Amino acid sequence: ETGVTQSPTHLIKTRGQQVTLRCSSQSGHNTVSWYQQALGQGPQFIFQYYREEENGRGNFPPRFSGLQFPNYSSELNVNALELDDSALYLCASSLLGTGTQYFGPGTRLTVL
Amino acid sequence: QQPVQSPQAVILREGEDAVINCSSSKALYSVHWYRQKHGEAPVFLMILLKGGEQKGHDKISASFNEKKQQSSLYLTASQLSYSGTYFCGTGVNFGNEKLTFGTGTRLTIIP
Repeated sequence: ETGVTQSPTHLIKTRGQQVTLRCSSQSGHNTVSWYQQALGQGPQFIFQYYREEENGRGNFPPRFSGLQFPNYSSELNVNALELDDSALYLCASSLLGTGTQYFGPGTRLTVL
Repeated sequence: QQPVQSPQAVILREGEDAVINCSSSKALYSVHWYRQKHGEAPVFLMILLKGGEQKGHDKISASFNEKKQQSSLYLTASQLSYSGTYFCGTGVNFGNEKLTFGTGTRLTIIP
């Protein structure tokens, strides 16, 4: 158990809809990173949040956005959902500077 | 670019040893190893930092050759619980880890 929690566990949406995924970081951690993992692939970095600001972004369009709150929890928002957005979305919590990231259980998003 | 892992898949009998390799075309600061079981989140195994160190715990160890930008994960006397997909994640900056993961190595341990 890493202490990183995510909600919801599963989600089914239709094309064009919007979705919000949530992540609570491990106690003592100040950084949250979000990853998208398609079936059979490794996780792909979406963005990272530190002190409530985006601290780096991967190759994802602006319709992927996020927030970090004062308690270091975080949200991932995806607008105008596309079929290819179907994936496991993982958040990873860390203490900036230590390098080690601990993953939450993920949210399985299915876009129909 | 994504690091390249080899082999893509391997099947071993309990008690045998395995080596999983991770190679990058970029200059790396760190290599992170994770194991993921089907339907679960990746579980952190270890991190290796620039400096060519070798780390390990129990029967799982790893090395990092920064000159070659390669890392290897060694699993000795494998146990059934070692089954899963192993991913290496690479980082290029200190303390600001935005990991780039390889495509994974599926390890199956049979009795």
